[in-house]
Amino acid sequence: EPEVTQTPSHQVTQMGQEVILRCVPISNHLYFYWYRQILGQKVEFLVSFYNNEISEKSEIFDDQFSVERPDGSNFTLKIRSTKLEDSAMYFCASSTGARGYTFGSGTRLTVV
Amino acid sequence: AQSVTQLDSHVSVSEGTPVLLRCNYSSSYSPSLFWYVQHPNKGLQLLLKYTSAATLVKGINGFEAEFKKSETSFHLTKPSAHMSDAAEYFCVVSETRYSTLTFGKGTMLLVSP
Repeated sequence: EPEVTQTPSHQVTQMGQEVILRCVPISNHLYFYWYRQILGQKVEFLVSFYNNEISEKSEIFDDQFSVERPDGSNFTLKIRSTKLEDSAMYFCASSTGARGYTFGSGTRLTVV
Repeated sequence: AQSVTQLDSHVSVSEGTPVLLRCNYSSSYSPSLFWYVQHPNKGLQLLLKYTSAATLVKGINGFEAEFKKSETSFHLTKPSAHMSDAAEYFCVVSETRYSTLTFGKGTMLLVSP
């Protein structure tokens, strides 16, 4: 069964550093998403991406965040200057657009 | 705006007994509804989804859920719990016109021998 692959599984970074989280969506999917889950809280939508541009973003997704699909297979989330409150599990997902989401196993980001 | 309320933060059952995880939703449109499961240190796995077809939806691992529009509910059930069912379960809604998902806070299912 096709999978969404996320790397790394864990990342520890110092406050103020830039971090890039990587995702390889399912190859024939057209819609890509990032969600995050702060420890003990609900999973929250960050951003959706379609046709090489952001289609929707939440209020969480401020200027510190950016997404990119640099080479047609990878889908990345960049956090420019990490804060302690960015510590969370970040999930990538892809879909065909018919609400058939597939989530990756997540990257646990710890900002120290 | 769409929202989801999972009525129990924790549910404890004994192995072999029925499971009921409750979910109520709010949506301005005809929603799609999902249940996802998250095992410790694992990703989100889709259990089942409702997308305006049959109101009783069967999923993987013996789970099923019934969409009740009059009650705005989408409760998850399983006739007989297994130890491997211990995990966190999320009820999720997606409105027809949007592709983003809104998650409930999750229900931790604990299964004792």
